[in-house]
Amino acid sequence: EAGVAQSPRYKIIEKRQSVAFWCNPISGHATLYWYQQILGQGPKLLIQFQNNGVVDDSQLPKDRFSAERLKGVDSTLKIQPAKLEDSAVYLCASSKHGEAFFGQGTRLTVV
Amino acid sequence: AQSVTQLDSHVSVSEGTPVLLRCNYSSSYSPSLFWYVQHPNKGLQLLLKYTSAATLVKGINGFEAEFKKSETSFHLTKPSAHMSDAAEYFCVVSDRAAGNKLTFGGGTRVLVKP
Repeated sequence: EAGVAQSPRYKIIEKRQSVAFWCNPISGHATLYWYQQILGQGPKLLIQFQNNGVVDDSQLPKDRFSAERLKGVDSTLKIQPAKLEDSAVYLCASSKHGEAFFGQGTRLTVV
Repeated sequence: AQSVTQLDSHVSVSEGTPVLLRCNYSSSYSPSLFWYVQHPNKGLQLLLKYTSAATLVKGINGFEAEFKKSETSFHLTKPSAHMSDAAEYFCVVSDRAAGNKLTFGGGTRVLVKP
């Protein structure tokens, strides 16, 4: 069974630029999560989808972050414009019965 | 609201000695609890999970954890540490009342000395 795929693995951008991350969950998993993991901290939930509907986006900075999950499968997370404090690893995970499987993450560096 | 507290940010053990990583949780209803491990520059890997069955849960690589509702704890143990256990460990809580949202603790970094 293929795991959660994320791309790109690494991204370096200048502040005020925009960036997008892509996630392909495990086939058949209805729940998809995006987490932000700042160096030295535990992952923080940004947004959770159930199929193509949003379950929780209470910690998503909506003035600059957006996410969508068209057709309830793949998802993209966008940051526009980026700030220095957005430097982190962005993790995507998917779940079918509560247990979540994580992708390798995208390491974003904002300079 | 659910939350997780990992009581130690760093744990240092000698190879071959026991490992104990402490986790306390807060949850409104009957939670599911997980331990994940993250090796440097690697993704998060599930070690074990508790989902209201047996309170003593066995996971991969010789790890196990015990769910104690009265103490709201889910401590992770391993009888004999190996060098390859050096990593960051996260305790995670989830419950249906919160829409199966996964809430992570702050993590415990394990150092294994030869």
